[in-house]
Amino acid sequence: DAGVIQSPRHEVTEMGQEVTLRCKPISGHNSLFWYRQTMMRGLELLIYFNNNVPIDDSGMPEDRFSAKMPNASFSTLKIQPSEPRDSAVYFCASKPRGGKNIQYFGAGTRLSVL
Amino acid sequence: GENVEQHPSTLSVQEGDSAVIKCTYSDSASNYFPWYKQELGKGPQLIIDIRSNVGEKKDQRIAVTLNKTAKHFSLHITETQPEDSAVYFCAAPRSNDYKLSFGAGTTVTVRA
Repeated sequence: DAGVIQSPRHEVTEMGQEVTLRCKPISGHNSLFWYRQTMMRGLELLIYFNNNVPIDDSGMPEDRFSAKMPNASFSTLKIQPSEPRDSAVYFCASKPRGGKNIQYFGAGTRLSVL
Repeated sequence: GENVEQHPSTLSVQEGDSAVIKCTYSDSASNYFPWYKQELGKGPQLIIDIRSNVGEKKDQRIAVTLNKTAKHFSLHITETQPEDSAVYFCAAPRSNDYKLSFGAGTTVTVRA
């Protein structure tokens, strides 16, 4: 299995632009998580999907952030409009059904908003 | 909710020595404690975990211990090697279990 696949790996954009981050979870996993990692705040959970349904989006910082999961093999995290303080590494993770809470992380997208 | 504290924030050890990272948690209902290793430019990867009904678990050079009474758990790396240099995170589930609260991370540097 290729693991969790995220794209792009790096994104540089200007303030005010729309940014879309993409994630392909591990096949057969039914839970998907989006995290943001910064030096100041560490790993923060933004949103959690179970069976493609958003269960908890309490970590989404503002209305500028939105996430979708149209099917079991694809999710997007969108920031519109982007701001310099959104600069961070964004991780997607997926978890198989049942069992222990073992989350498998992708390699992340490093976002820089200028 | 669960609050996980991790110490130290940085750790430098000589190759071949041991490294110990400690974490405390607040929710006594937590029953599963994973440790993740994050190498530069990569996402966190699970390296070992422990359930609350076990006091210690070993996997080659790494081990994790759990003290439920004191609500703390530790990661032990023995005979450290340069490839052990990374950021290590402890975690504990929040009340609904699907969420994980992560510690702030420990940057481990193994000096050759």
